[in-house]
Amino acid sequence: EIVLTQSPATLSLSPGERATLSCRASQSVSSYLAWYQQKPGQAPRLLIYDASNRATGIPARFSGSGSGTDFTLTISSLEPEDFAVYYCQQRSNWPPAVFTFGPGTKVDIK
Amino acid sequence: QVQLVQSGAEVKKPGASVKVSCKASGYTFTSYDINWVRQATGQGLEWMGWMNPNSGNTGYAQKFQGRVTITRNTSISTAYMELSSLRSEDTAVYYCARVQRYELDPWGQGTLVTVSS
Repeated sequence: EIVLTQSPATLSLSPGERATLSCRASQSVSSYLAWYQQKPGQAPRLLIYDASNRATGIPARFSGSGSGTDFTLTISSLEPEDFAVYYCQQRSNWPPAVFTFGPGTKVDIK
Repeated sequence: QVQLVQSGAEVKKPGASVKVSCKASGYTFTSYDINWVRQATGQGLEWMGWMNPNSGNTGYAQKFQGRVTITRNTSISTAYMELSSLRSEDTAVYYCARVQRYELDPWGQGTLVTVSS
């Protein structure tokens, strides 16, 4: 089973700063890696799929990169509404299909 | 618009079962798999299982094998997740989500299930 690890666990930044979040897979997932944002009391929202494609309606300040085992989510300039928890996710196709989430990175206000 | 609307909060006693519904609208229900994911308070996202609404085929996380059952009623575009033998550790918000290819979008609003004696 593929394990996803995320770092750091918490990122304390100020509005306007750049955020760089990491997700590492225990084995290659090619580019089949998605990122989600979750705010308190809300369901997760898809931000990025296929490692680097923004989902519909996601602002351009969010970008994703990477392939294989190492992936990065970058928020170029933090807006107040970006302080949230971010999760990465993949699916392994080897029967049976298994979906895996990383433990999350919390971006909070410094 | 594409939307998943879940049933309301539940309070159950240990040992009981709970069945949460997820009604889809804005797309063809049988064209996309549905996943169920849960989240305990202050914790991360935990995948529980998937279902193909067209075939009814399912797959479950090993942790929940034997305790979870995902079903559907295609006539009303609704998926269900039933979890049995509830214990306090099952207290969580339960989400359904549509599977695009492997990414999940959109998600339901979540259903809080509280297990307490």
